[in-house]
Amino acid sequence: GEQVEQLPSILRVQEGSSASINCSYEDSASNYFPWYKQEPGENPKLIIDIRSNMERKQIQELIVLLDKKAKRFSLHITDTQPGDSAMYFCAASEDTGANTGKLTFGHGTILRVHP
Amino acid sequence: DTTVKQNPRYKLARVGKPVNLICSQTMNHDTMYWYQKKPNQAPKLLLFYYDKILNREADTFEKFQSSRPNNSFCSLYIGSAGLEYSAMYLCASSRDRGRTGQLYFGEGSKLTVL
Repeated sequence: GEQVEQLPSILRVQEGSSASINCSYEDSASNYFPWYKQEPGENPKLIIDIRSNMERKQIQELIVLLDKKAKRFSLHITDTQPGDSAMYFCAASEDTGANTGKLTFGHGTILRVHP
Repeated sequence: DTTVKQNPRYKLARVGKPVNLICSQTMNHDTMYWYQKKPNQAPKLLLFYYDKILNREADTFEKFQSSRPNNSFCSLYIGSAGLEYSAMYLCASSRDRGRTGQLYFGEGSKLTVL
């Protein structure tokens, strides 16, 4: 099955700086890569995603990059704010075949934005 | 309403006893999932229902049961809890078997087995 590696486990940044989280996957059939944010005591929520027909996607301060050849994708948060502090999960899945919709998650990254 | 509701939020169980966790959604999603999340580990897919068809992961096949009596409800059943079952259990739902992307997660059921 698919394996997703996520680094770093913990990321501390100063408010206003950028934060980057990197993920890699193994299954070349994976073509959908979402990012979930989970705040303490709450459920994981989708914040941004990218499909394999794109290399870059931006929603406000969130940027995701996808390198299909290297099987890597990353999340970049520009101008971080204390409200960005949370656990972030990357995931990979495919939208065809028997594994459709089965998300494989990374271990998560705890982001702490310090004022 | 995009809420996925889980009950109970916290469950304490004795070793060897059964555990039943409930999940519900009113978004008419065709697919419902159960994930297990342990500290410092990635959420792990246990099983999912696509409509009425249950798909269980190979390594959890015999450890978890599930039922989906209707589109809105899905349960996760542990027949005899062991210490290793202590974890957060996350239910999620999606439409179109996740092809369109987003999974909606519940807040989780934290199971502690003593």
